[in-house]
Amino acid sequence: GQNIDQPTEMTATEGAIVQINCTYQTSGFNGLFWYQQHAGEAPTFLSYNVLDGLEEKGRFSSFLSRSKGYSYLLLKELQMKDSASYLCAVENTGKLIFGQGTTLQVKP
Amino acid sequence: DAGVTQSPTHLIKTRGQQVTLRCSPKSGHDTVSWYQQALGQGPQFIFQYYEEEERQRGNFPDRFSGHQFPNYSSELNVNALLLGDSALYLCASSLQGEEKLFFGSGTQLSVL
Repeated sequence: GQNIDQPTEMTATEGAIVQINCTYQTSGFNGLFWYQQHAGEAPTFLSYNVLDGLEEKGRFSSFLSRSKGYSYLLLKELQMKDSASYLCAVENTGKLIFGQGTTLQVKP
Repeated sequence: DAGVTQSPTHLIKTRGQQVTLRCSPKSGHDTVSWYQQALGQGPQFIFQYYEEEERQRGNFPDRFSGHQFPNYSSELNVNALLLGDSALYLCASSLQGEEKLFFGSGTQLSVL
């Protein structure tokens, strides 16, 4: 079966750091994506992890452990514009299997 | 450079009707995938087109069909609409062999 789990909602304060976790159990695995989606807009690419370890890109970092079926997205120096849904997706033979998404609310 | 464009933006239909949604991929891309996103959920894979053929299909009934044209644009057709088909339909394009998908803003379909 295919199962990807993320928390439904998270709240954090402007300027803080937040970590969004994702666990997965899928029949195949080629890599893991994180997308950001603002309400009413298209998902936009944040990161792609194929190998274990941490990938850093500006304020955003993503971590992958294939043996544990686990990833997280780390957002630093939170800004109000970071309020959005964050989607974890496993890539398997050219298609993406998404989790339900985590709605992050950043408060002043 | 235009990204992925979808039309229409919004659509209202009644049960039993048929609908056609359209997608133009990002310039240079040759592969188009369609996803259905229900409110509060992550997108679900419907199918993928490459070289005008359906290459992969998700767990959707035959009421969902598609087409890819020689210019790589694509259509998604849904027949005999059900209330449960109400969702945001996302088109994503990519270059065959590359993993990164670029998404359009979607078509919001409401079935009454």
